[in-house]
Amino acid sequence: QPVLTQSSSASASLGSSVKLTCTLSSGHTGYIVAWHQQQPGKAPRYLMKVERSGTYNKGSEIPDRFSGSSSGADRFLTISNVQSEDEADYYCETWYNYSWVFGGGTKLTVL
Amino acid sequence: EMQVVESGGDLVQPGGSLRLSCAASGFTFSNYWMNWVRQAPGKGLEWVANIKYDGSEAFYVDSVKGRFTISRDNAENSLYLQMNSLRAEDTAVYYCARVDTYYDILTGLPVYYYSDHWGQGTLVAVSS
Repeated sequence: QPVLTQSSSASASLGSSVKLTCTLSSGHTGYIVAWHQQQPGKAPRYLMKVERSGTYNKGSEIPDRFSGSSSGADRFLTISNVQSEDEADYYCETWYNYSWVFGGGTKLTVL
Repeated sequence: EMQVVESGGDLVQPGGSLRLSCAASGFTFSNYWMNWVRQAPGKGLEWVANIKYDGSEAFYVDSVKGRFTISRDNAENSLYLQMNSLRAEDTAVYYCARVDTYYDILTGLPVYYYSDHWGQGTLVAVSS
């Protein structure tokens, strides 16, 4: 079973860029990862999935400020021109043998 | 507009039962696998159960096996989660999520499943 590791917190100034990381455990480093955003008090929202190659596919109506990339076992979510509404928890998700695994989530604070 | 709406959450005593429902609209429900995912207060997301698009297969996280049953009624565009022998640690917001499939370009075989639309959640509280 894969394990997804995320930093518990991150911060970014308004208008800056931030790169969040989701690391796949050994033996599972080629997996696709999906990213989800959960704003305070709200349900999660699907942002995109990121492949090993770095190709990413966003959900509908996800702003251009959000992008994905990959390097080895790491799958990244980059937010450019950070806005106040980007303050949220961000979770990565993967699938293995008919079970779904989530990372612990990264709490992004916008300064 | 694609939508999934959960209902049925409540306060229940330990050992009790509860049935959650999820009403789907705006997409062809019978084409999609579906997930239940929960979030305990102040905690992260935890996958609970999944059901294949035709209801022929179901999968569960170990902690709920034998206690929870996922089912669906494609004619009614509805997903269910029957929860028995509830414990305090089952206290959480339960989300219904549509699952999309990613197919290998060369083989056309499904290689990945991911949650791509979420409901607003329903709260289950297990306490005496």
